[in-house]
Amino acid sequence: QITLKESGPTLVKPTQTLTLTCTFSGFSLSTSGVNVGWIRQPPGKALEWLAFICWDNDTRYSPSLKSRLTITKDTSKNQVVLTMTNMDPVDTATYYCTRAGSGLPNDYWGQGTLVTVSS
Amino acid sequence: EIVLTQSPGTLSLSPGERATLSCRASQSVSNNYLAWYQQKPGQAPRLLIYGASSRATGIPDRFSGSGSGTDFTLTISRLEPEDFAVYYCQQYGSSPRTFGQGTKVEIK
Repeated sequence: QITLKESGPTLVKPTQTLTLTCTFSGFSLSTSGVNVGWIRQPPGKALEWLAFICWDNDTRYSPSLKSRLTITKDTSKNQVVLTMTNMDPVDTATYYCTRAGSGLPNDYWGQGTLVTVSS
Repeated sequence: EIVLTQSPGTLSLSPGERATLSCRASQSVSNNYLAWYQQKPGQAPRLLIYGASSRATGIPDRFSGSGSGTDFTLTISRLEPEDFAVYYCQQYGSSPRTFGQGTKVEIK
């Protein structure tokens, strides 16, 4: 059974750095072709793809957010970490961790975690 | 970056009716790597269709996808009460893996 779960702060202040952790089970991020990534959704708005990290440590980022994002993995712990710097109220959103792959869509999703940016 | 435009924004239909949702890409989607997701309030999206026309595991056959290149369609042959939701398309053939803005299917 494949599961993913997001963890991290629910409230951050403007200009702070957000760190979110995705802990997954039921698959390995060392398997060829697999990637784990992040997608967010502001309240009442559409999905926005952020980033993913591949089994071979290749990373891809949203061009509009690339300067603020870093994604890393710890294969031994089955975890992927996303950091986003210089948080702003417009970054308030539910952040989802998902599994995908080379030529594969986001087939498994975490439940999501709501992050609010406010002073 | 490929921009996906979904239409209509909202579709008002009755149970039993047929729903046709459109997703148009600003450039050709590589390998027709186009997916459709369903999202209900308070829930994570669920994968319905991948590769433009393949149903994901456990998805009822009233859901079908078609299209290629820049024009794609999701069809729900007969709407069930549980199908009223928001639907998103996504291209995963190139990075960034962009989403459309969504189509809400609401009860008329």
